[in-house]
Amino acid sequence: ETGVTQTPRHLVMGMTNKKSLKCEQHLGHNAMYWYKQSAKKPLELMFVYSLEERVENNSVPSRFSPECPNSSHLFLHLHTLQPEDSALYLCASSQDGVLDRSSGNTIYFGEGSWLTVV
Amino acid sequence: DAKTTQPNSMESNEEEPVHLPCNHSTISGTDYIHWYRQLPSQGPEYVIHGLTSNVNNRMASLAIAEDRKSSTLILHRATLRDAAVYYCILRDVTGGFKTIFGAGTRLFVKA
Repeated sequence: ETGVTQTPRHLVMGMTNKKSLKCEQHLGHNAMYWYKQSAKKPLELMFVYSLEERVENNSVPSRFSPECPNSSHLFLHLHTLQPEDSALYLCASSQDGVLDRSSGNTIYFGEGSWLTVV
Repeated sequence: DAKTTQPNSMESNEEEPVHLPCNHSTISGTDYIHWYRQLPSQGPEYVIHGLTSNVNNRMASLAIAEDRKSSTLILHRATLRDAAVYYCILRDVTGGFKTIFGAGTRLFVKA
């Protein structure tokens, strides 16, 4: 248990569906992330939120829409996805901006949501 | 782009030590060196971190070069459960929130 919970763990959706991935962190962190991990590829950083404001968006297609209503919750809204979007989507959180020497501002990951687009 | 480079894969025998190298020649003074590992079908998990001095914890040891341009993660006695992808990343906690992962090193452990 890392303190970062993702739901659902598995999702199968059609290309015309609209669905959402949810992430919740219980660590009191001020930054949250979405990463995508396709088969046999490195983790790709998609979005970063700090203090509920988006600070990083690595040119992700608009069919992925993040939402961060508060510092504990993060959503990834999905619509009109393509089969190549099938991947493991990982949420993470950290406490950033202020150096924490004991933890080095460790990133904590959830277990991920496996998405299959058919 | 990732600021670290690691070998694609390494192999070890069970019960033997493993040394996983990482190069980070462009490291800055505010970068912490972090290691994470990812077991099959799971999210990455924290292993260890350091700034300048060598570090030990219950999972592993981290040896940092004097010029900080490279580091080595040491697993003292590899077990089959240590088979995973190991990522070495740099965390700049003062200037931003961007944390990029490279491809990591896939560690195979033979019984």
